[in-house]
Amino acid sequence: AQTVTQSQPEMSVQEAETVTLSCTYDTSESDYYLFWYKQPPSRQMILVIRQEAYKQQNATENRFSVNFQKAAKSFSLKISDSQLGDAAMYFCAYRTFSTGTASKLTFGTGTRLQVTL
Amino acid sequence: GAVVSQHPSWVICKSGTSVKIECRSLDFQATTMFWYRQFPKQSLMLMATSNEGSKATYEQGVEKDKFLINHASLTLSTLTVTSAHPEDSSFYICSAGRRNFGPGTRLTVT
Repeated sequence: AQTVTQSQPEMSVQEAETVTLSCTYDTSESDYYLFWYKQPPSRQMILVIRQEAYKQQNATENRFSVNFQKAAKSFSLKISDSQLGDAAMYFCAYRTFSTGTASKLTFGTGTRLQVTL
Repeated sequence: GAVVSQHPSWVICKSGTSVKIECRSLDFQATTMFWYRQFPKQSLMLMATSNEGSKATYEQGVEKDKFLINHASLTLSTLTVTSAHPEDSSFYICSAGRRNFGPGTRLTVT
């Protein structure tokens, strides 16, 4: 079974600075998807960024980018120019390449990000 | 983006009663919906995969007779917690696909 590990329960960053959240995973599959989700205090889950394992290029979405190291099974999220609105729980998630009922998400335990002035 | 709604947003019920939570996909058809449970300060744990027109697929350790899932249409899935107990108190979240999550339902069983 796949597992997702986030070793940083909490992180803090100053406004306008850059922060990196870590995520490692374990799988025997070669094709899969990786995600970062944000859960603000409202509890609404928001997809931040997605990476396909077959793509070597790291995904980017505006101020959010990932460092995907497939051999090391590492998938970190970098937030640049941090804003107060970035404060939230961040979950790393894995999904198999299969479709249908097998394509469920496995979440990490989350990292709480605080943004300070 | 696509919108998923949940109703109710919060509910308090007495121990032994049943409560139904609705998950609606408002602007697209979802053949598969997922139900998650999230305890305070913890991650989301998948409970079951809801498939339109067929039986739900439950994760190991989730009692299918206690957490009844019905996916009668492409836009509606329901989760019924039967004979609720205080330990069922939690935050329940549905999703339509992997991108579109509902806002969640907070269940408190007294």
